[in-house]
Amino acid sequence: DAGVIQSPRHEVTEMGQEVTLRCKPISGHNSLFWYRQTMMRGLELLIYFNNNVPIDDSGMPEDRFSAKMPNASFSTLKIQPSEPRDSAVYFCASSPNANTGELFFGEGSRLTVL
Amino acid sequence: DQQVKQNSPSLSVQEGRISILNCDYTNSMFDYFLWYKKYPAEGPTFLISISSIKDKNEDGRFTVFLNKSAKHLSLHIVPSQPGDSAVYFCAASPNYGGSQGNLIFGKGTKLSVKP
Repeated sequence: DAGVIQSPRHEVTEMGQEVTLRCKPISGHNSLFWYRQTMMRGLELLIYFNNNVPIDDSGMPEDRFSAKMPNASFSTLKIQPSEPRDSAVYFCASSPNANTGELFFGEGSRLTVL
Repeated sequence: DQQVKQNSPSLSVQEGRISILNCDYTNSMFDYFLWYKKYPAEGPTFLISISSIKDKNEDGRFTVFLNKSAKHLSLHIVPSQPGDSAVYFCAASPNYGGSQGNLIFGKGTKLSVKP
């Protein structure tokens, strides 16, 4: 049974380049979350969607970050232009149940911006 | 300003003994608490949760205790096993029964269980 699938697992890019991270949630889950993990700040919620609609994007750091969920089985997180301080592990998670916090996380995308 | 704090970045325990991981929170509106476990190069996985109407929840070797007056929760693992070695994240939400999008995570405690 496939879990949350993220790609790429690792991305190394140069400052100023566009980065696109992809996520396929678990089939049937109606909520999708993007988190960022850094040593300094731990796990931070960037944005989450409910039934493909963005509900809260207050965690998105700045306008360079954008996220879309065009359908129930796919979401992207885009950073344009990327900066070295964006280097982190980005996790996508999905959830079937709006009434609990039991999230199912993907394996993460490790981003390094040089 | 951290709302969920795990003050011990690491903990080392002997196999078979008890592991106690601690978590403090500052927001009295938090109503639901969870623990996640994370192995290297993997995403966090849900371990156990507790709502504010309880002070204890048990699942096999894992027990979570909640002290609302002290705004403190702890995760007990007994007996500890080498496979429990991982980073443990505490998380809290003000909205049990509502949107879970506002889970606030602590920075994690790395548990090492030595054979």
